[in-house]
Amino acid sequence: AQRVTQPEKLLSVFKGAPVELKCNYSYSGSPELFWYVQYSRQRLQLLLRHISRESIKGFTADLNKGETSFHLKKPFAQEEDSAMYYCALGPPGGYQKVTFGTGTKLQVIP
Amino acid sequence: NAGVTQTPKFRILKIGQSMTLQCTQDMNHNYMYWYRQDPGMGLKLIYYSVGAGITDKGEVPNGYNVSRSTTEDFPLRLELAAPSQTSVYFCASSYRVAGASSSDTQYFGPGTRLTVL
Repeated sequence: AQRVTQPEKLLSVFKGAPVELKCNYSYSGSPELFWYVQYSRQRLQLLLRHISRESIKGFTADLNKGETSFHLKKPFAQEEDSAMYYCALGPPGGYQKVTFGTGTKLQVIP
Repeated sequence: NAGVTQTPKFRILKIGQSMTLQCTQDMNHNYMYWYRQDPGMGLKLIYYSVGAGITDKGEVPNGYNVSRSTTEDFPLRLELAAPSQTSVYFCASSYRVAGASSSDTQYFGPGTRLTVL
């Protein structure tokens, strides 16, 4: 069975400090992995996905198949990064069987 | 474009009552989804639809029904509300080209907070 684990419910960092939101997964095969973000009073939105290999709002995430991880990183945290972050996993090509993690709340302290 | 809209935003139901959660998208997306999110948990897929007239069960379909008579609308029906259905419900949509090898972007609605007492 596919599974996504986000071990931290809350991550507090100071403004300007590096951020790493952890995501580990269990999946047979080659999954698609995503990071979603939900800012306060806003709807859930896609932040990035591993196939795009892009940097969004300074965030990057690298798929490490050996460690089955997809950690989200940013070198310098900003206050506007404070939000809930969800890691998600699914088979290539469809959202029908996407599994979401329980989320990590990122709190950036001014 | 309004994107994905959901009504109502909040609702309190008594055990055994029924209600319909509305979801509409104006992006001409073929795929639509219903998720529920319980406190401290991730989203779980209830039902999804790949186009008008076609629906299928997700991970947690029991106690719910859906229909998709148009591309735009994807209502979720609770027939006999139970306290276990207290949750936040999210509707989402996406556009997928047939045979695509990678996933498209999902767009979410703002959610409906449902309490069953």
